[in-house]
Amino acid sequence: ETGVTQSPTHLIKTRGQQVTLRCSSQSGHNTVSWYQQALGQGPQFIFQYYREEENGRGNFPPRFSGLQFPNYSSELNVNALELDDSALYLCASSPGQVDQGEAFFGQGTRLTVV
Amino acid sequence: GDSVTQMEGPVTLSEEAFLTINCTYTATGYPSLFWYVQYPGEGLQLLLKATKADDKGSNKGFEATYRKETTSFHLEKGSVQVSDSAVYFCALTDRGSTLGRLYFGRGTQLTVWP
Repeated sequence: ETGVTQSPTHLIKTRGQQVTLRCSSQSGHNTVSWYQQALGQGPQFIFQYYREEENGRGNFPPRFSGLQFPNYSSELNVNALELDDSALYLCASSPGQVDQGEAFFGQGTRLTVV
Repeated sequence: GDSVTQMEGPVTLSEEAFLTINCTYTATGYPSLFWYVQYPGEGLQLLLKATKADDKGSNKGFEATYRKETTSFHLEKGSVQVSDSAVYFCALTDRGSTLGRLYFGRGTQLTVWP
């Protein structure tokens, strides 16, 4: 049983650019959630995908978008990058969209915007 | 809305000392409560959880009791080890919601010295 894997592990982008982060969910999990963790802060919910549909969204602007594929892997896309987007982006997969306490987290992608 | 407030860190202890990290919550529904741990350079790992009032979650010598009357879920360990050095996050989900998002506290950095 493989865990949740994210790629890349580190990324440096320039303000105004676009970025795509990837997540492979744990086998058997149909739900993927994305979180942003700024330095010294707790993770903040961005959105959740359940069976390829966006199931809910936190307080993030539309330039944060995502996809979930038939194999339940997922992408997070961020357009028009801002300096404040620098953070650790965490992906979590779970066997259902509720009770996220059963979610398994990846190691994260550290994004630096310069 | 739902939120979690954690004791400010950092916390520095000697090995074998007693640990308490305070956590209180605000929830509109009926939450499940969690403690997650983040070791340096890694993602989040579920440490323990409790799903109803008076439940005690425990794992690896850590314990926390779901106190509905005080809306608290304090983390305790009787004798910490150097290997417990990490960031600890208190979190909740609203079990009455169809969107199983996690709400996290800001995290408490624990450093244990030999």
